[in-house]
Amino acid sequence: GQQLNQSPQSMFIQEGEDVSMNCTSSSIFNTWLWYKQEPGEGPVLLIALYKAGELTSNGRLTAQFGITRKDSFLNISASIPSDVGIYFCAGKRYPYSGGGADGLTFGKGTHLIIQP
Amino acid sequence: GAVVSQHPSRVICKSGTSVKIECRSLDFQATTMFWYRQFPKQSLMLMATSNEGSKATYEQGVEKDKFLINHASLTLSTLTVTSAHPEDSSFYICSARWGGQGYTFGSGTRLTVV
Repeated sequence: GQQLNQSPQSMFIQEGEDVSMNCTSSSIFNTWLWYKQEPGEGPVLLIALYKAGELTSNGRLTAQFGITRKDSFLNISASIPSDVGIYFCAGKRYPYSGGGADGLTFGKGTHLIIQP
Repeated sequence: GAVVSQHPSRVICKSGTSVKIECRSLDFQATTMFWYRQFPKQSLMLMATSNEGSKATYEQGVEKDKFLINHASLTLSTLTVTSAHPEDSSFYICSARWGGQGYTFGSGTRLTVV
């Protein structure tokens, strides 16, 4: 089946540092999504990407949809303590507006830990 | 924004009993809902796709007779774990597709089978 390789698995950074994580796949995805999950909660959508090459920002977060459709990255600038959590990439095979109600394939997550 | 309400948030049951988990879309109609399972420190794995008014579609390796899915209305989908065993203990999360915001998730159900 389809798999997403997400790296790094975990990051230990200092407050104020920038963060970068990425996902790659051997298959093409037509939608990439980035989520953050707090312990005991469901994932919360951070950024959605629908077109190859698309670069989208949400506050201090920036994500890009790779041109090959097989990768995406998420950057967090000037990290703050509340950024702590697990970040997941997720891919969808079909274009969002093109139908195909398939579920998401998730990466294994990046655990972000911020040291004061 | 779109909200999916999932209940219960936690449940402990005895081995051999059944547990029902509900997911409701509060302010939109969800023709399709998705059910995921997440083991500790692992990723979310899609179990099945729930379609309103029709049979659910299960992912390979997921026992459809054990994980019964019902999607009787446009706002409610249920997952019943039948004859639960300790290995079924996990975090179960539902999700629905909504508008232009991707997929919105429920808050999850922590199932512990003792």
